[in-house]
Amino acid sequence: AQSVAQPEDQVNVAEGNPLTVKCTYSVSGNPYLFWYVQYPNRGLQFLLKYITGDNLVKGSYGFEAEFNKSQTSFHLKKPSALVSDSALYFCAVKGTYKYIFGTGTRLKVLA
Amino acid sequence: DTAVSQTPKYLVTQMGNDKSIKCEQNLGHDTMYWYKQDSKKFLKIMFSYNNKELIINETVPNRFSPKSPDKAHLNLHINSLELGDSAVYFCASSQGGQGTYEQYFGPGTRLTVT
Repeated sequence: AQSVAQPEDQVNVAEGNPLTVKCTYSVSGNPYLFWYVQYPNRGLQFLLKYITGDNLVKGSYGFEAEFNKSQTSFHLKKPSALVSDSALYFCAVKGTYKYIFGTGTRLKVLA
Repeated sequence: DTAVSQTPKYLVTQMGNDKSIKCEQNLGHDTMYWYKQDSKKFLKIMFSYNNKELIINETVPNRFSPKSPDKAHLNLHINSLELGDSAVYFCASSQGGQGTYEQYFGPGTRLTVT
């Protein structure tokens, strides 16, 4: 069965510092991996995805993610965090006609 | 121009009532989904439709009945509402259920059952 795990419920980072939100996956076959962000009282918004190719994927709002096959990880990163990045982040893996989401990581960027 | 819209945004009702949530997408996608997000923010798929056909039903009680009149609409009807149904329900769409396309989510419907 396919699954993703987000080991941290919350990540705190100071504004201007680099941030990392962790995700590990378990799939049979090629993984199709996604990151979404949810702001309060809003639906999820797509940030980026890994399908194939370059292990470093760039996405919206300056976010990027690094795919690591040997560690089965797909961590979300940003070189310099903004207070406005504070939100709930979800990692997801694509199955057949469905997406399986992680439990979410709340990112808090402190001014 | 809203890509995926849901109505209503808020729904407060009593146990035992029947209610419906509507969803429309104007992206031309062929696959639509319903998700339930609980109070801990866990997001769980309920249903998946492709070209108006039900593809996924993730062991949802049969009090929940989705209906897709056309590819752009996916409605959710809930009978005999229970306290445990209180949650935020999200509609989403994507192009190709078997492909690698991302999903687009609606703003959510917050259902409160009292």
